[in-house]
Amino acid sequence: TQLLEQSPQFLSIQEGENLTVYCNSSSVFSSLQWYRQEPGEGPVLLVTVVTGGEVKKLKRLTFQFGDARKDSSLHITAAQPGDTGLYLCAGSRSNDYKLSFGAGTTVTVRA
Amino acid sequence: DSGVTQTPKHLITATGQRVTLRCSPRSGDLSVYWYQQSLDQGLQFLIQYYNGEERAKGNILERFSAQQFPDLHSELNLSSLELGDSALYFCASSPTSGRTNEQFFGPGTRLTVL
Repeated sequence: TQLLEQSPQFLSIQEGENLTVYCNSSSVFSSLQWYRQEPGEGPVLLVTVVTGGEVKKLKRLTFQFGDARKDSSLHITAAQPGDTGLYLCAGSRSNDYKLSFGAGTTVTVRA
Repeated sequence: DSGVTQTPKHLITATGQRVTLRCSPRSGDLSVYWYQQSLDQGLQFLIQYYNGEERAKGNILERFSAQQFPDLHSELNLSSLELGDSALYFCASSPTSGRTNEQFFGPGTRLTVL
């Protein structure tokens, strides 16, 4: 079983629509990251959140860390075809050197 | 470009063979991580090295081994290869093993075992 559960697994929307991807766990994380990966390439770090309740914005992307530091969400406003990709959340727990990844959400934005 | 380099980009080999994947971390990064990504398993952590020493182990098979050299580059050795070892192998680096554990990934090596 995955330490981090992402939902939905797949998301297909029309250009201009909004979307939200969720990342949930029963564990508390000292930090949580979001990555985007395109086919055949390595994941690219988008953002890191460390404080419960923290909200970070990256252009049309808004990232939120849950108050209890057990969950996170990624919201994309007015999605564009360039937002297409696999979105991965990854968490780091205290005293754990490993980064645990969710299974990912495949986002497809149709023109 | 993350600054992490991996070679080779593609590798095709036969079952039972042994291969070595190479990774150079970003300048100044002391930690190197290896991951395996297959369609049915997602991104799986294999092993981490920090400044030449093994720091953490994940789901790494006994047929696989890794090391980090004094110049901080790392190699992942895969032996007695099986069809199921076909996957993308990623290396990532980070400056420390600290709280945020941000990792920067290389472009990956696609291994095909025939």
